[in-house]
Amino acid sequence: GAVVSQHPSWVICKSGTSVKIECRSLDFQATTMFWYRQFPKQSLMLMATSNEGSKATYEQGVEKDKFLINHASLTLSTLTVTSAHPEDSSFYICSATDRSSSFTHNEQFFGPGTRLTVL
Amino acid sequence: GNSVTQMEGPVTLSEEAFLTINCTYTATGYPSLFWYVQYPGEGLQLLLKATKADDKGSNKGFEATYRKETTSFHLEKGSVQVSDSAVYFCALRVYSTLTFGKGTMLLVSP
Repeated sequence: GAVVSQHPSWVICKSGTSVKIECRSLDFQATTMFWYRQFPKQSLMLMATSNEGSKATYEQGVEKDKFLINHASLTLSTLTVTSAHPEDSSFYICSATDRSSSFTHNEQFFGPGTRLTVL
Repeated sequence: GNSVTQMEGPVTLSEEAFLTINCTYTATGYPSLFWYVQYPGEGLQLLLKATKADDKGSNKGFEATYRKETTSFHLEKGSVQVSDSAVYFCALRVYSTLTFGKGTMLLVSP
């Protein structure tokens, strides 16, 4: 149980285009989803936290107009990188929590990540 | 602020060797501590955790003890296997926010 998927697993796009990454909880309802960014040999950096049905909370320094997050249902969150540029190339990872479960309360379940390369 | 420092890799070991991956932290408040593992091509998986000082987390032969006096949470395993090859992340959580270390790659050869 507690599986999180991401799609696509990798994407290459041209500079100036927008890219959407999906994060799905496959067997539980994700009341909260998190989006992270990971640079090579670096930590996972939290970008934003989103609760179903409400606006995402962005970490300091993350441009909300550039990284659009939508969490419209309890099983799906999307991250759209708008007008992507080469410096946006990175590994994006989502995670989800199932706060309805007393057993896994607050534990984050991670997706496999999406490798974005902007040419 | 909160931060996690873990030893740089890769750590290269032969099968059945003893493993230690060091992790130290700084945190405001009383953090919970975690080790996550990421196998090639997969997402992060929770390996073990400890929620208060002197707690020992253990799983799959790995263990780590929450040492408040040294602000450490070192990961150990007595005898590693080739299948343990992965990247290991130390992390702390205060409230709902996780803060990760940079990860340590472990390579185990037969």
